[in-house]
Amino acid sequence: DGGITQSPKYLFRKEGQNVTLSCEQNLNHDAMYWYRQDPGQGLRLIYYSQIVNDFQKGDIAEGYSVSREKKESFPLTVTSAQKNPTAFYLCASSIHRGATDTQYFGPGTRLTVL
Amino acid sequence: AQSVSQHNHHVILSEAASLELGCNYSYGGTVNLFWYVQYPGQHLQLLLKYFSGDPLVKGIKGFEAEFIKSKFSFNLRKPSVQWSDTAEYFCAVNVPGYSSASKIIFGSGTRLSIRP
Repeated sequence: DGGITQSPKYLFRKEGQNVTLSCEQNLNHDAMYWYRQDPGQGLRLIYYSQIVNDFQKGDIAEGYSVSREKKESFPLTVTSAQKNPTAFYLCASSIHRGATDTQYFGPGTRLTVL
Repeated sequence: AQSVSQHNHHVILSEAASLELGCNYSYGGTVNLFWYVQYPGQHLQLLLKYFSGDPLVKGIKGFEAEFIKSKFSFNLRKPSVQWSDTAEYFCAVNVPGYSSASKIIFGSGTRLSIRP
């Protein structure tokens, strides 16, 4: 059953702690993305990767970091430098980096900072 | 900078009513346009997309959208909605060659509630 998995579904962390969100895909897609979804603001791009060992900052990369050591995995670390980390985080992938490629989304991780 | 506007934040309709959700974008050149839908408890998924050709695009579940270049619009329509259409709908734009090829800009979303 192909798709994108994100874990955990819900995550709680204390202020000042770093936390890593997992994203795995078995679709053999080259490109992967991380978005943040806040009520009334739609999806905003955090980071994206078009190929293994390469990634680019999106519109709101401050306070976040990523790695792309394997094609199927694109973990996102929310660092203590992120001022307002409580949000719903979505991971996506597309077959290539083409402008017409459909993005496929995971189920999301809801992060709450206590 | 490119942007996408969805002016209707929350739309409430009765079953069998007709639907039109507005989407406007700000970019004067060639664009690729998408509508995504997020049903309650489900993944965000593609509803339909437009790249070129016939400006009237048909998608899944009876949805369609019309690209009007002169109005910078890509409105989503459905002639008769069902209770199962209750979801959040996102319009998105991708500008070929802009920064990176697969960077999509999303609108803020429209929540659609259908009364049974």
